[in-house]
Amino acid sequence: QKEVEQNSGPLSVPEGAIASLNCTYSDRGSQSFFWYRQYSGKSPELIMFIYSNGDKEDGRFTAQLNKASQYVSLLIRDSQPSDSATYLCAAREGGSYIPTFGRGTSLIVHP
Amino acid sequence: NAGVTQTPKFQVLKTGQSMTLQCAQDMNHNSMYWYRQDPGMGLRLIYYSASEGTTDKGEVPNGYNVSRLNKREFSLRLESAAPSQTSVYFCASTPSAGELFFGEGSRLTVL
Repeated sequence: QKEVEQNSGPLSVPEGAIASLNCTYSDRGSQSFFWYRQYSGKSPELIMFIYSNGDKEDGRFTAQLNKASQYVSLLIRDSQPSDSATYLCAAREGGSYIPTFGRGTSLIVHP
Repeated sequence: NAGVTQTPKFQVLKTGQSMTLQCAQDMNHNSMYWYRQDPGMGLRLIYYSASEGTTDKGEVPNGYNVSRLNKREFSLRLESAAPSQTSVYFCASTPSAGELFFGEGSRLTVL
């Protein structure tokens, strides 16, 4: 059974701080990793994807992948109240059409 | 650019009634998916279609059927709705088993 684990939260951070969201996965065959943001009552939208070990930066967002330890993280710098949402981590095995989603971490950024 | 369009957005059914959720994408994507999302359960895959002409069961297929009508359209049918099928349903598509693009969701209540 392929699993992606996330702390459900809520993770509460003050405005301007760094929010760190973590995800672990069970399938060592996973090759692609995705972070989606989902606002309440809305559909998920992709924030970042990462395929290689190390860091990938895009604006205020940094995705980190460590395949040896089987974890993926998302850092949000200079957090804003508009970042308050649920963040879904997903992993996909190479050659598979089916990503496995975690249950999401709720992030609250308070002014 | 419409992306992934789902209809209807809201529906209330009585137990035993049938209905079809429609999904269409205009991005020329090969693969399409139907998920349901329940509080605390994350996204659960119902059915997917890796390419036109193929469909496969996901994690929770019981009580549902699908049709990949053409490359653009992927419908989900509930033949005899049950209260356990009360949920938010998301259709998604992807060009090559990478990033998923989600529709806005269909909120179904079965009384």
